[in-house]
Amino acid sequence: AQKITQTQPGMFVQEKEAVTLDCTYDTSDQSYGLFWYKQPSSGEMIFLIYQGSYDEQNATEGRYSLNFQKARKSANLVISASQLGDSAMYFCAMREGQDTGRRALTFGSGTRLQVQP
Amino acid sequence: DAGVTQSPTHLIKTRGQQVTLRCSPISGHKSVSWYQQVLGQGPQFIFQYYEKEERGRGNFPDRFSARQFPNYSSELNVNALLLGDSALYLCASSWVRGETQYFGPGTRLLVL
Repeated sequence: AQKITQTQPGMFVQEKEAVTLDCTYDTSDQSYGLFWYKQPSSGEMIFLIYQGSYDEQNATEGRYSLNFQKARKSANLVISASQLGDSAMYFCAMREGQDTGRRALTFGSGTRLQVQP
Repeated sequence: DAGVTQSPTHLIKTRGQQVTLRCSPISGHKSVSWYQQVLGQGPQFIFQYYEKEERGRGNFPDRFSARQFPNYSSELNVNALLLGDSALYLCASSWVRGETQYFGPGTRLLVL
């Protein structure tokens, strides 16, 4: 069974500083995908970034980058130059591999990020 | 382009009642997945539909059912509601099953 672990229930960061949100995963699949989503208080899950298990380069999307360390089974999200609007819950998720047929997402418990002025 | 839409946004029901939640995917997306998010937790997978067929089911009782229509919209039905069914129900769509899932705003269900 797949598992996602986010060990930081809450994080504080000063505006304009960088912050790293931790995510470790466990799977026996060789092919899998890792995602980060942002969930503001409104509830909608907003897709941020994707990393495939066979991707050689770390994914980047604007101020977001994913620090993918396959051997350590970690997929940390780095947010550079934090903004007040970045305050939200952040979820790490893994998509099941092709062998299960479901391709569903397994989510971690989330990290609440608060950006301080 | 419009994103994933869900209706209603909020719903209050009493124990034992039945509820139907609706989802319209992003135009061109053929796969719809449903997730339940209890307060303070990450979302849990309920169902996935692709091309109008059920392609996956999470660990939920038979009180939960769903279907996908020819226009790729979807409904989630929950019968015999329990207090523990109170949650945010999220719908996500993707072009095909293995691609990135984009979520709607959710339906907040409160069971009294």
